[in-house]
Amino acid sequence: RKEVEQDPGPFNVPEGATVAFNCTYSNSASQSFFWYRQDCRKEPKLLMSVYSSGNEDGRFTAQLNRASQYISLLIRDSKLSDSATYLCVVYNFNKFYFGSGTKLNVKP
Amino acid sequence: GAVVSQHPSRVICKSGTSVKIECRSLDFQATTMFWYRQFPKQSLMLMATSNEGSKATYEQGVEKDKFLINHASLTLSTLTVTSAHPEDSSFYICSARGYGDPGSGANVLTFGAGSRLTVL
Repeated sequence: RKEVEQDPGPFNVPEGATVAFNCTYSNSASQSFFWYRQDCRKEPKLLMSVYSSGNEDGRFTAQLNRASQYISLLIRDSKLSDSATYLCVVYNFNKFYFGSGTKLNVKP
Repeated sequence: GAVVSQHPSRVICKSGTSVKIECRSLDFQATTMFWYRQFPKQSLMLMATSNEGSKATYEQGVEKDKFLINHASLTLSTLTVTSAHPEDSSFYICSARGYGDPGSGANVLTFGAGSRLTVL
């Protein structure tokens, strides 16, 4: 079983839509959680850390469910510029584990 | 915020030559750096963990004699692809572990811009 699993998508949504991604992780002792964004042929960039209590940054909301071992990312009012691949990242025991990424296409 | 500089961004070389990629943490000390490889439309694959002053830890299936990693200082790690072959053509990305935003209690990864290697 992979450490981190994500639906690869693609998610094709119109501008203004709300879209949600989920990610599951296998190690219940995992310590930290993140969402990264990767544009085509570019390096991943940190979008947001995921806190146990859930956290929001503008149009983006991240939540963690330790009991079910999943992390979610909600994007409201999607913009064309949100089109990218979103990577779920889990940290435990000095290693960062990456999901394969979920591709989002926001269309006019 | 933390910045990681990676150089060169793009390199084209002939088969059989060696290529060195540098990764520098510009405004923080990175005792640990990570090297990843990404093939087109695939996910990041961790190649090795580079520890300052000690030998790198390689992931299963990664040849340590082919991918030489040196982490001689707290701000510099290098990856040398020795005797490169066309199948080594890929996007190589380094990252360093820095500190996350206050309250997160977490270390976050900051990535270099990546090096696109093409072996002819």
